[in-house]
Amino acid sequence: QKEVEQDPGPLSVPEGAIVSLNCTYSNSAFQYFMWYRQYSRKGPELLMYTYSSGNKEDGRFTAQVDKSSKYISLFIRDSQPSDSATYLCAMSAGSGNTPLVFGKGTRLSVIA
Amino acid sequence: GAGVSQSPRYKVAKRGQDVALRCDPISGHVSLFWYQQALGQGPEFLTYFQNEAQLDKSGLPSDRFFAERPEGSVSTLKIQRTQQEDSAVYLCASSLEDRTLWGYTFGSGTRLTVV
Repeated sequence: QKEVEQDPGPLSVPEGAIVSLNCTYSNSAFQYFMWYRQYSRKGPELLMYTYSSGNKEDGRFTAQVDKSSKYISLFIRDSQPSDSATYLCAMSAGSGNTPLVFGKGTRLSVIA
Repeated sequence: GAGVSQSPRYKVAKRGQDVALRCDPISGHVSLFWYQQALGQGPEFLTYFQNEAQLDKSGLPSDRFFAERPEGSVSTLKIQRTQQEDSAVYLCASSLEDRTLWGYTFGSGTRLTVV
């Protein structure tokens, strides 16, 4: 079993839908949680980060962390065709220069 | 530069050939990371530099992989005697020392295909 599990999809939704993306993890030492977006043939770009449990909102994006269940989520409201990309969850046991552990990514298509 | 620059963007190597992949981090970024992303997978950590010091190379898959950053800026990832399983996108990321986890900026990667 990998440390971080993420359903690879693909996930296809109509424009304007609410999208829910999820990851589970097994390492209880993880404290820092991030979501990256990766367009085709590009590097990942950071969307959201959270520390420990709780919610964080930024525009149309909401990140949730439930450490008791070892489960993290990213919600995208009013999805747009430009949101079509692969979404990667990532996490780390420490701050500083601790390597990130990524999920395998979920490919999302938002259809106009 | 404005972003992390990697070259070449694409590399086709014959099995057994040596390759060198280059990363130009954002100017002033102290930390530099290499990740390997196989097709359909998330990036996996290879190695980490702080300035010219290689502080963590625990992710390098074999002794055929070698990375350096001699002057604390440009970094090179070298793969000797390439094998088909080395085919992947190699991503470089840099960050300011005091904004590490949130401050990663990734390059677009080098796509290596070993034939």
